[in-house]
Amino acid sequence: QSALTQPASVSGSPGQSITISCTGTSSDVGGYKYVSWYQQHAGRVPRLIIFGVSYRPSGVSNRFSGSKSGNTASLTISGLQAEDEAQYYCCSYTSSGTLLFGGGTKLTVL
Amino acid sequence: EVQLVESGGNLVLPGRSLRLSCVASGFNFDDHAMHWVRQRPGKGLEWVSSISWNSGKKDYADSVKGRFTISRDNARNSLYLQMNSLTGDDTALYYCAKEDGDYTFDFWGRGTLVTVSS
Repeated sequence: QSALTQPASVSGSPGQSITISCTGTSSDVGGYKYVSWYQQHAGRVPRLIIFGVSYRPSGVSNRFSGSKSGNTASLTISGLQAEDEAQYYCCSYTSSGTLLFGGGTKLTVL
Repeated sequence: EVQLVESGGNLVLPGRSLRLSCVASGFNFDDHAMHWVRQRPGKGLEWVSSISWNSGKKDYADSVKGRFTISRDNARNSLYLQMNSLTGDDTALYYCAKEDGDYTFDFWGRGTLVTVSS
């Protein structure tokens, strides 16, 4: 099964907002509320930042938000900070009972 | 404090087998589904396999189905991944991840490196 589709890279200046999309099908992203997002700094372990499409775990900044429309989920980061520079991955449950990650998006803070 | 510690990664010849382990602490292991996720060098995350809390449900990515077997021992707070017929495409850092319900990975181990090469 092919990975969910994410842009390879996005960039923004400090203080700006950016949105990363994650496109799948009705058999994964569009069919379930089980979409999560992970942040991975270079050389580090992935960290959960959004679950259930739009919920933030305790300790995650409210600058991170998630949403979904049809077969596309989105992660928005507002008030960009230098520390947000990282790789971001979406993940969705699928109708096959498996999980599927996106290809990842590299966020550069200019 | 939740901890997941993987082990068993190594350099192995193509076609050979390897067994990964993950020891969990800091939470009720037998209350949670567990997963293996891998990351090839310089590449993205790839979900590999999952097992329910009581081992009643096991799922695999198509890329490993028939070659990998996931298991757990709740008495030992341990998760395993038996990997057979390894190929170069299996070269990756293998993470053990705890599921916090609804297919969300809330804690990850630091990973164990598997290198398949002759």
